[in-house]
Amino acid sequence: AQKITQTQPGMFVQEKEAVTLDCTYDTSDPSYGLFWYKQPSSGEMIFLIYQGSYDQQNATEGRYSLNFQKARKSANLVISASQLGDSAMYFCAMRESFAAGNKLTFGGGTRVLVKP
Amino acid sequence: DTGVSQNPRHKITKRGQNVTFRCDPISEHNRLYWYRQTLGQGPEFLTYFQNEAQLEKSRLLSDRFSAERPKGSFSTLEIQRTEQGDSAMYLCASSPRDGYEQYFGPGTRLTVT
Repeated sequence: AQKITQTQPGMFVQEKEAVTLDCTYDTSDPSYGLFWYKQPSSGEMIFLIYQGSYDQQNATEGRYSLNFQKARKSANLVISASQLGDSAMYFCAMRESFAAGNKLTFGGGTRVLVKP
Repeated sequence: DTGVSQNPRHKITKRGQNVTFRCDPISEHNRLYWYRQTLGQGPEFLTYFQNEAQLEKSRLLSDRFSAERPKGSFSTLEIQRTEQGDSAMYLCASSPRDGYEQYFGPGTRLTVT
């Protein structure tokens, strides 16, 4: 089974609107963490937001928020007030405590295109 | 710039040649990771160092691949006898001792012709 599933290969969003990117995960580890990264066309992976499995509140970082639903094993990223510079690939990733060094397992990504 | 740096940014090589990539992590980070990303896919873990010790290698890392991190600072990834299937973006990331976030470098894009 896939550990990280991103079901939306691509999305269009109107500038200034909010967009939700889906991510579901699969793990038996009670101590894990979920990440979202942005990858613009330049190729660099930019860290956006992190949610630990024991965190009581949803993580927020500026215009990014993570909708963490533990029972459903989902960790959706919400980008509010989209900007043209948000056009990029977005990857959901998971670390598991039993994985050496907390290595990351990534999903297949969602391409977001912000329209003016 | 105190981020993760990688050199070269691009490498074109002929099949059968050896190539070496370098990664300089953020200076105070003791953990260093290599990932490979093929077109249209998410990155896949290759190997991990804690200080100078290589603690895990993925089965993706065939015996043609070798990585080192002498003195626990920069790291090199060497691919011997390159094959066309090695064409990919090779990403390096580093992580601090007391944190989970991994900070990535700009990557080295390898094209094997």
